Amino acid sequence: AQSVTQLGSHVSVSEGALVLLRCNYSSSVPPYLFWYVQYPNQGLQLLLKYTSAATLVKGINGFEAEFKKSETSFHLTKPSAHMSDAAEYFCAVSKGGGYNKLIFGAGTRLAVHP
Amino acid sequence: EAGVAQSPRYKIIEKRQSVAFWCNPISGHATLYWYQQILGQGPKLLIQFQNNGVVDDSQLPKDRFSAERLKGVDSTLKIQPAKLEDSAVYLCASSLVVAGGRNEQFFGPGTRLTVL
Repeated sequence: AQSVTQLGSHVSVSEGALVLLRCNYSSSVPPYLFWYVQYPNQGLQLLLKYTSAATLVKGINGFEAEFKKSETSFHLTKPSAHMSDAAEYFCAVSKGGGYNKLIFGAGTRLAVHP
Repeated sequence: EAGVAQSPRYKIIEKRQSVAFWCNPISGHATLYWYQQILGQGPKLLIQFQNNGVVDDSQLPKDRFSAERLKGVDSTLKIQPAKLEDSAVYLCASSLVVAGGRNEQFFGPGTRLTVL
C-alpha cells in the first residue's frame, strides 16, 4: 500500500530564509509524486510533480523538489521565503498505471514572519 | 479557462439531516473526483468517476453517502443522514483521461460542511 509522511505539521521561517518541507513516501512500485499548495478557503493548486523524468523538479513560485529513491523522499524547497508563501502544503503519491488515485500526506502549514 | 466550480461554498446542518453538494468540472475532463478533507488532515478520496462510471468508491461510506455523475459532466455528492464526524471540506477535482497516473488534478474551492 502507498502512504505519505510529512514531517512537521507546522514550519515557521523568516522572510528571505530557506524553506524546507519534508515528505517521505512508501510505494511498492515506482511512484509519481506531487506537491500541492492550499491557501485559506481555496482548493489545492499543483506546485510541481515528479513523473520519472528528471529527479530535480522545478515548479511554480520558485519551488523545487528532488526525488531521492534511496531515501524514499521528495522534499520541497525554496531558497528565499516570501510572505505570500504562507499556506498549507500537501505531498501526494500516485502509483500510476491505473486510475490516477492520489494519496495525500497530512499537510504542513508554513508560516512566514517578517 | 474556467476552473472547477462547486456549490454551495458553506453549509451548516443538524445531524441526521441530508445535504447535497454540486460540482462542475473543467470542460473536457473525463475524470472527476470527490475528496473529504477533515480539519488537520490531507484530502481523502471518496469516489472517482471516469465519464459517468465509477472506478473507485472503496472509501465511500455507502450507508450514508452517494454520488452520481449524470451524462459524464456535473456531479452531485449526497449525505443522508449526516453525522457529526462528516464535518469537513468536500473537494471536487477533475483531470483529463488518465495516462498512467501522471495527470494533474484540478481542484475546486470546496464546500465546508458543519454538522451540529
